[in-house]
Amino acid sequence: DSGVTQTPKHLITATGQRVTLRCSPRSGDLSVYWYQQSLDQGLQFLIQYYNGEERAKGNILERFSAQQFPDLHSELNLSSLELGDSALYFCASSVAARGGETQYFGPGTRLLVL
Amino acid sequence: AQKVTQAQTEISVVEKEDVTLDCVYETRDTTYYLFWYKQPPSGELVFLIRRNSFDEQNEISGRYSWNFQKSTSSFNFTITASQVVDSAVYFCALITVNAGNNRKLIWGLGTSLAVNP
Repeated sequence: DSGVTQTPKHLITATGQRVTLRCSPRSGDLSVYWYQQSLDQGLQFLIQYYNGEERAKGNILERFSAQQFPDLHSELNLSSLELGDSALYFCASSVAARGGETQYFGPGTRLLVL
Repeated sequence: AQKVTQAQTEISVVEKEDVTLDCVYETRDTTYYLFWYKQPPSGELVFLIRRNSFDEQNEISGRYSWNFQKSTSSFNFTITASQVVDSAVYFCALITVNAGNNRKLIWGLGTSLAVNP
């Protein structure tokens, strides 16, 4: 158990809908990362937050947004969902955002868009 | 361009065989970090090792060992005397930090290892 929690574990929704994925980092970790893992694209880094502020941005679509709250939990919002958004979404956390700190991953949220 | 290549998509071995998973990276930044993660069939991503660009020491942890060679931009992972529980997808990842303190996180596509009894 990495100490990172993600809810829900599974989510089934329809195209055009909006969903929110939630992540709680390990105790003491200030940095949160979001990743998308799909069969055809592998593991894609989406975005990183550090202590409430956006720190790095990857291949995140405009339909997706994220934030980190004062209690350090983070939410990833996916809107206008498409079939291709079906994937496993991981959250990871690390102590700081200085450099190449180790990221510890949550169990993931499996999203299925029908 | 930053890139991580895991050329082996799938590897199948028989238990007790040694197996090496290759990872080749590309970056022009002098400061970077390399990682290996394991993703068993249950789906979670498990951290295995972290290396920074200034530390080329090889590392051994039980049956696992890692060979970091800057000259060939490689960070290979060897499992000695493989076991069925080693069956998983293994990912190599790279974090680069440039002079402007901008960071990029790049992952390889993974190598699926099947260890057969």
